[in-house]
Amino acid sequence: EVELLESGGELVRPGGSLRLSCATSGFTFGSYAMSWVRQVPGKGLEWVASISDRGGSKYYADSVKGRITISRDNSKNILYVQMKSLEVEDTAVYYCAKERDNGDYGPKYFDFWGQGTLVAVSS
Amino acid sequence: QSALTQPASVSGSPGQSITISCTGTRSDVGGYNYVSWYQQHPGKAPNLIIYDVTNRPLGVSNRFSGAKSGNTASLTISGLQTEDEADYYCSSYTSRSTVVFGRGTKLTVL
Repeated sequence: EVELLESGGELVRPGGSLRLSCATSGFTFGSYAMSWVRQVPGKGLEWVASISDRGGSKYYADSVKGRITISRDNSKNILYVQMKSLEVEDTAVYYCAKERDNGDYGPKYFDFWGQGTLVAVSS
Repeated sequence: QSALTQPASVSGSPGQSITISCTGTRSDVGGYNYVSWYQQHPGKAPNLIIYDVTNRPLGVSNRFSGAKSGNTASLTISGLQTEDEADYYCSSYTSRSTVVFGRGTKLTVL
């Protein structure tokens, strides 16, 4: 059974930094691209970032480019996102999502999702 | 990248069929057969129900079907059931190697 478990979400001040993690199990982590998708409570989904199976290709939404770095550790089956210069507008539930292929040409769709971790940016 | 356009809400009675549209551009929906649809119940994570425009993942009911014509994709749910009441999001691969989502459609089963 595929399982994705996000952690690291918390209340942070504007301008602050945060690293989220996503521990995975139930599939061959190193064979699939992975992504982060966020959702402001009560609002729609927004794709944030994706990383190919071996980490060689990374893709970012314009809204976070330069402030977010996605990475992965295939030896530990963990996905990360490092966020800096956080803004109030970054407040959202951040979901970790598995993709259906290796991600060489960018993200396409997400067949398994975690339950999300809440990042709240407020002074 | 602008969000794909979906109706804010649709409704139907049990047993009926409804269709949700998803309109983009030639740079996303119209340019690639990588349209997908997600169902999200309140407080839950999204669930993939359609990928590659028309394909259903294993375990998804065949009451859900997808189609595309030009820059507009659509999701049809036939034989509506009360458990179908949820938010539905479309998404598409884009020419910039990114993914764009629709703003979401709230389905009410009357």
